[in-house]
Amino acid sequence: KQEVTQIPAALSVPEGENLVLNCSFTDSAIYNLQWFRQDPGKGLTSLLLIQSSQREQTSGRLNASLDKSSGRSTLYIAASQPGDSATYLCAANQAGTALIFGKGTTLSVSS
Amino acid sequence: AAGVIQSPRHLIKEKRETATLKCYPIPRHDTVYWYQQGPGQDPQFLISFYEKMQSDKGSIPDRFSAQQFSDYHSELNMSSLELGDSALYFCASSVRGALTDEQFFGPGTRLTVL
Repeated sequence: KQEVTQIPAALSVPEGENLVLNCSFTDSAIYNLQWFRQDPGKGLTSLLLIQSSQREQTSGRLNASLDKSSGRSTLYIAASQPGDSATYLCAANQAGTALIFGKGTTLSVSS
Repeated sequence: AAGVIQSPRHLIKEKRETATLKCYPIPRHDTVYWYQQGPGQDPQFLISFYEKMQSDKGSIPDRFSAQQFSDYHSELNMSSLELGDSALYFCASSVRGALTDEQFFGPGTRLTVL
């Protein structure tokens, strides 16, 4: 059974810092790895999707990498801003199946 | 571009009452997933449908039922509501067999049980 773990659970950084959020999964037979952002009490905003055949995806200041063999994905946020403060969730699935979510990393960026 | 629509966005019910949540997938999407996110928790898969048939089942209580209709919209019916059912309920849709098989999430329905 797939398990997704995110470390750290919470992270506080000053504005401008580059940071890395970690996600690990137990079953390497994944099809997709998705990163989401969630503001308190709000919905899920999809940030990046990496397919199993891909190594990384980039969108603006965000870069997500995937290493299936080691069961890891990282989300790199460059030049963090207070507006980046939110909970970041990673989720994995096999084709046509439900996403299994990690418990998230709550990021706080101070100005 | 059209997104996943969920209604209502907010719902307040009393214990033991019944609630119905609706999900309208992106046009031409054939698969719908329902997830439940309790306070401070990660989203948990409840149930999914593909081409109007139940596809997979997760941690859905027996008090809950769901179906997908001919127009592909889906409804989650929740009976004998309990305080612990208070949560954010997400619906996601996708195209099975598509290259990315990406799930697109709706804004969620916040259910509060008093």
